[in-house]
Amino acid sequence: GESVGLHLPTLSVQEGDNSIINCAYSNSASDYFIWYKQESGKGPQFIIDIRSNMDKRQGQRVTVLLNKTVKHLSLQIAATQPGDSAVYFCAEKPTGTYKYIFGTGTRLKVLA
Amino acid sequence: DAGVTQSPTHLIKTRGQQVTLRCSPKSGHDTVSWYQQALGQGPQFIFQYYEEEERQRGNFPDRFSGHQFPNYSSELNVNALLLGDSALYLCASSSSQIRGGYTFGSGTRLTVV
Repeated sequence: GESVGLHLPTLSVQEGDNSIINCAYSNSASDYFIWYKQESGKGPQFIIDIRSNMDKRQGQRVTVLLNKTVKHLSLQIAATQPGDSAVYFCAEKPTGTYKYIFGTGTRLKVLA
Repeated sequence: DAGVTQSPTHLIKTRGQQVTLRCSPKSGHDTVSWYQQALGQGPQFIFQYYEEEERQRGNFPDRFSGHQFPNYSSELNVNALLLGDSALYLCASSSSQIRGGYTFGSGTRLTVV
């Protein structure tokens, strides 16, 4: 079946450290990928995206890396802050479709 | 500028009943997608509406139906509710003119008892 990501793991990091959240996607035909952040009681919030013709994209404090060979996506957060605590989802859009396939997400806990 | 607004925020229904959830997209957006998010899971695509028609559908039974109005707002209807329909229902809007991700609402928490 379709799947992105694994069962919900938790990543705990010290405030100020860098965080790396990983995601394995299943559809090699996907052409667009997004990382979302979801805080408790809220809907997912767009963080950064990347197209399949790229392998790296940087934003403010965040970097997304795409490895199509092994169907792997990662989100790097620099100088992690308490406000970064949330569940992070990667999502893929298969070519020719309008839907996004989300994984189960990773919970990021920032320790003071 | 209002983002995506959903109503109601919480709802409790009995098995077998029917429910209607509502969504107003972000200003400037013309496309609405609905997702179901079970506790501890990622959102699952239900369907997408564009130009008042269902453009794509996920793996959900016909009990799930929707509508989009001329002002781009949308409704999600679920008939013959099952306990397993209990979830957070998310509405996401986007623009057909701008390539990119969605803007999500905060969702409607549906509990079926």
